[in-house]
Amino acid sequence: GAGVSQSPSNKVTEKGKDVELRCDPISGHTALYWYRQSLGQGLEFLIYFQGNSAPDKSGLPSDRFSAERTGGSVSTLTIQRTQQEDSAVYLCASSLAANTEAFFGQGTRLTVV
Amino acid sequence: GENVEQHPSTLSVQEGDSAVIKCTYSDSASNYFPWYKQELGKRPQLIIDIRSNVGEKKDQRIAVTLNKTAKHFSLHITETQPEDSAVYFCAASNDYKLSFGAGTTVTVRA
Repeated sequence: GAGVSQSPSNKVTEKGKDVELRCDPISGHTALYWYRQSLGQGLEFLIYFQGNSAPDKSGLPSDRFSAERTGGSVSTLTIQRTQQEDSAVYLCASSLAANTEAFFGQGTRLTVV
Repeated sequence: GENVEQHPSTLSVQEGDSAVIKCTYSDSASNYFPWYKQELGKRPQLIIDIRSNVGEKKDQRIAVTLNKTAKHFSLHITETQPEDSAVYFCAASNDYKLSFGAGTTVTVRA
């Protein structure tokens, strides 16, 4: 694919349900980021993967949030027992290395009702 | 970890005037400083970046300056146009993860 792909584009879920958000980075990109963007707000860092190193999970807001990156490629962000405050756009980005351009996906808009 | 502060949070300029956004960073080891533009409903996209071995970089109406001693860098947009209206994010990296500023909402008045 030409760019970073995220699915689904939109997700509406009931409070208390679990959700999985998927990110397909650009092939060959070793760095992968997840950010959360609430309406009109900035980019809140969630988690960072770099190659085979242990991920930086310092931005995850609670233990309901977790992420995996399988085989150094596709990443899944899982939110358990969703709450209304989890409603936001979740953006994934990848880059060739730490100090190179990060390319963003179109985001997943999560709405918890 | 790296902490990036960005000012102002909002900026309104008359079409044709210049816009300046300033960022400071905390980690003296940071060596890569990109700027991203996010139009309403779109994903952030890189508009210009600068590395620590360069003090200034220009691309048409956009320029970025870096002061390593003071640990701050700035984005300059000259001859602003309506299509420059967007949210702009600065970021810094120290061979590790990108850390973003909080963003500046720029509005260009016709």
